[in-house]
Order: sequence, then C-alpha cells, then structure tokens
Amino acid sequence: SAVISQKPSRDICQRGTSLTIQCQVDSQVTMMFWYRQQPGQSLTLIATANQGSEATYESGFVIDKFPISRPNLTFSTLTVSNMSPEDSSIYLCSVDLRGRRYQETQYFGPGTRLLVL
Amino acid sequence: GIQVEQSPPDLILQEGANSTLRCNFSDSVNNLQWFHQNPWGQLINLFYIPSGTKQNGRLSATTVATERYSLLYISSSQTTDSGVYFCAVEGSGAGSYQLTFGKGTKLSVIP
Repeated sequence: SAVISQKPSRDICQRGTSLTIQCQVDSQVTMMFWYRQQPGQSLTLIATANQGSEATYESGFVIDKFPISRPNLTFSTLTVSNMSPEDSSIYLCSVDLRGRRYQETQYFGPGTRLLVL
Repeated sequence: GIQVEQSPPDLILQEGANSTLRCNFSDSVNNLQWFHQNPWGQLINLFYIPSGTKQNGRLSATTVATERYSLLYISSSQTTDSGVYFCAVEGSGAGSYQLTFGKGTKLSVIP
C-alpha cells in the first residue's frame, strides 16, 4: 500500500476565502485523484491530477473554483476558491497503484474536513 | 457513465449477526473495490475484486462480473464494523482509471 497524508485534517473557514489542501504520498505515483464527499453523501470525483499535465476535471467542476497543482510524483494540492457553505465537505485525495505487485488499485488519504461558515 | 447501486441503504445488526451487502453495476468493469468508511471518515480498503471470491478474516466478497454484481459478506459482526460500506467500480473504457462510487450501505452494529 501507500502512506498518504493530507493537510490540514480539518478547517473552519469564512465564506469568500480560499483554502489549499495538500496531499503527500510516500512513494512516486503517476495518477492522483481528488474527491469530494458532501455531508451524508457518497464520493464524487473532482479531477484527475497527473504529473506533467493539466488536471482533468469532471463535469460540474471547474479549474477556477478548484485549481490543482501536481509539481512532482509525490505531491499535489487542491484549492477550494471563493468558498461558500455549499463547499462544506470532506475532500480526499487518492493514488492509483496498479502495476505494483499485490497492490490494489486505489488508496485514499485520511481526508480534509472543511466547514464553511 | 457507469451506474452503481448498493443495497440495502441502511442496516442495523445485533452484534454477532451475519450480513450480506450487494453492489450492482451497469456495465463491464476493470476494477471493483469495497471500502469501509469508519466514523472518522477514513476510507479503508477491504477488497480489490473485479471477479471471483476473496476472504479476509470475517469478511469475504464475491463478484460475478458476467451478471454485474458483487456481494460483501460480514460474519459475526462486531461494533467496530459500524460505518459506511462503499462499492466503487472502474468502467472498462480504455484508460479511465476513475472510480465511480455507489451511495453506500450504512451499517450499525449494536451490542
């Protein structure tokens, strides 16, 4: 498996501000993903972040609202911009480990709990 | 895109009871994973099981890919099994690598 950490683990923010969430992996991985989990809901993919290319966003998510960086093979950031209470969610990063022997394909970080007031 | 349906949405068990959770999916898949989300929000990998049967302690899973469903069995349930169980699939389109999650089954195990 991979050890994945996220910072911050939780935060309370005021509407109109922005928060950058960091995701760090203990080994080099090609594919990283960012998901959102709204309260009481399932996980929804925001974007795929591959090193060396622009992030690919899913329908309903735009770069201006959720800019993503992927400067190297072990690190990524997701920014939630101009926040509103509707952005209150858990944000999770995941990595795809396919191709590694005996590895299942995706592992998730511990998540960042965001509350927007 | 691929659709994932999980049942039941909620399940309450007495400690020691057995249960079966179901995941139906609408198309062929490259990947199917079962996760347990504990009360702190952490997603824990249970099984990678695009086909066949696997067992890990009190948990086992079976995927019948030709009939597009997967089952997760929990035997002798414990209070620590409480949480939400998610099934997630990756469609067989070339190079997708993206997981689509079902809505989950919320399991409550009472002493």
